[in-house]
Amino acid sequence: AQSVTQPDIHITVSEGASLELRCNYSYGATPYLFWYVQSPGQGLQLLLKYFSGDTLVQGIKGFEAEFKRSQSSFNLRKPSVHWSDAAEYFCAGGGGATNKLIFGTGTLLAVQP
Amino acid sequence: NAGVTQTPKFQVLKTGQSMTLQCAQDMNHEYMSWYRQDPGMGLRLIHYSVGAGITDQGEVPNGYNVSRSTTEDFPLRLLSAAPSQTSVYFCASSRVSLEGGQFFGPGTRLTVL
Repeated sequence: AQSVTQPDIHITVSEGASLELRCNYSYGATPYLFWYVQSPGQGLQLLLKYFSGDTLVQGIKGFEAEFKRSQSSFNLRKPSVHWSDAAEYFCAGGGGATNKLIFGTGTLLAVQP
Repeated sequence: NAGVTQTPKFQVLKTGQSMTLQCAQDMNHEYMSWYRQDPGMGLRLIHYSVGAGITDQGEVPNGYNVSRSTTEDFPLRLLSAAPSQTSVYFCASSRVSLEGGQFFGPGTRLTVL
C-alpha cells in the first residue's frame, strides 16, 4: 500500500542551527512528493515539490529537499533556522497510478532562542 | 485570485444535525478534495473529484457526501453529525496531475456536541 511516513513527531532546534526533517515513502513507482508547512490555526502552504529531474529541489523560505530513490526518502533541510520557522511540517506523496495525495502525520518544529 | 475559499470558519453542531461545508476555487482546477485533520493523524482524504460530475471516495468517507456540479464548487455534506466528526476540515484544489501541488483553503473547525 502507498504510504508516507514522518518518523519524528516533534523536533526542537536552536535558532541559527541547521534543520533536517525526515520523510519516507512507499510507492510502486516514483511518486510526486511535496512538503507543506502549517502555522497554528492556518491552512497548509506548499514549500516545495518534486516530480522528476534534479533530485535536489529548492523551495520557498530557504528550504530545500533531496529525493533519494535508494532510501525512499525526501528529507527537508534548511541551513539556518529562524524563529518564524516554528510550525508543523507535512510531507505528502501522490500521482502515479492514483492521483490521491497521501500525507504523513506531520512533524512539529519548535525553535529555541 | 481568491484561491480556495471555505465557509464557515467555525461551526458547532449537535449530534444528529446535518450541515454543508462550502468550498470554492477560482483557479479553474479540475481536481478538488476534502481532508480532515486530527491531532497526530495528519490529513486524511475524505472525498475527491477529478472534474464536474465525477467524485470518488478517499480514506475516510463514511458519514460524508459530496457532489461536483461545477468546476468551481465542491461542497461537503455531513448527513447526521457525530462527535467523531469533530475535526478541522480542509478543502484543496489542483490540476488533476497533482504536479503543481494542491492549494489549500483556510479550513473549517467543526465541533459536534
